[in-house]
Amino acid sequence: QKEVEQDPGPLSVPEGAIVSLNCTYSNSAFQYFMWYRQYSRKGPELLMYTYSSGNKEDGRFTAQVDKSSKYISLFIRDSQPSDSATYLCAMPAVVQGAQKLVFGQGTRLTINP
Amino acid sequence: EPEVTQTPSHQVTQMGQEVILRCVPISNHLYFYWYRQILGQKVEFLVSFYNNEISEKSEIFDDQFSVERPDGSNFTLKIRSTKLEDSAMYFCASSGAGGTGMQYFGPGTRLTVT
Repeated sequence: QKEVEQDPGPLSVPEGAIVSLNCTYSNSAFQYFMWYRQYSRKGPELLMYTYSSGNKEDGRFTAQVDKSSKYISLFIRDSQPSDSATYLCAMPAVVQGAQKLVFGQGTRLTINP
Repeated sequence: EPEVTQTPSHQVTQMGQEVILRCVPISNHLYFYWYRQILGQKVEFLVSFYNNEISEKSEIFDDQFSVERPDGSNFTLKIRSTKLEDSAMYFCASSGAGGTGMQYFGPGTRLTVT
């Protein structure tokens, strides 16, 4: 079983739609959860960082964590064409104080005007 | 806003040659990382570096790879003898704290080995 699984998509929705992106993970030691956005041939850009189960909101983005189900989600409200990118979930495994981020495959999202 | 920078943006090299990829992490950060992403695949961890030594390295990070922080600002990844399969995007990242810190990534260096 892969440590982090994410549907690679592609996912295509009309502008203004609510988008739901999901990841599952197998390692119960994961305590922190991150979402990155990656535009084509660019570096991952940190979007959301969460720790506890529940919801965290930042503007149009909401990150949701359910540790009991080992399931995390990212919701995008009022989606815009500029949101078109690949969205990566990532979880740090901590070794000697430093992190080793374990990434999902990434979901490629297109918002159609 | 502080950011991680990387040079060059694109490097083309012949198989067997040595390459050095350079990164300038965010200035007050203490933890430094290299990741790579082969086209169409996941971002994969290579190595973490703290207090002037490697904290952890992946199976990919074999004897052909090395990292160095030669001064107070730069962080480099060296590949001694490049192989075709080393062709990938290489990302540097840094964080201000260890286990709980958020990692910030640079724009990447695209390495093409011919």
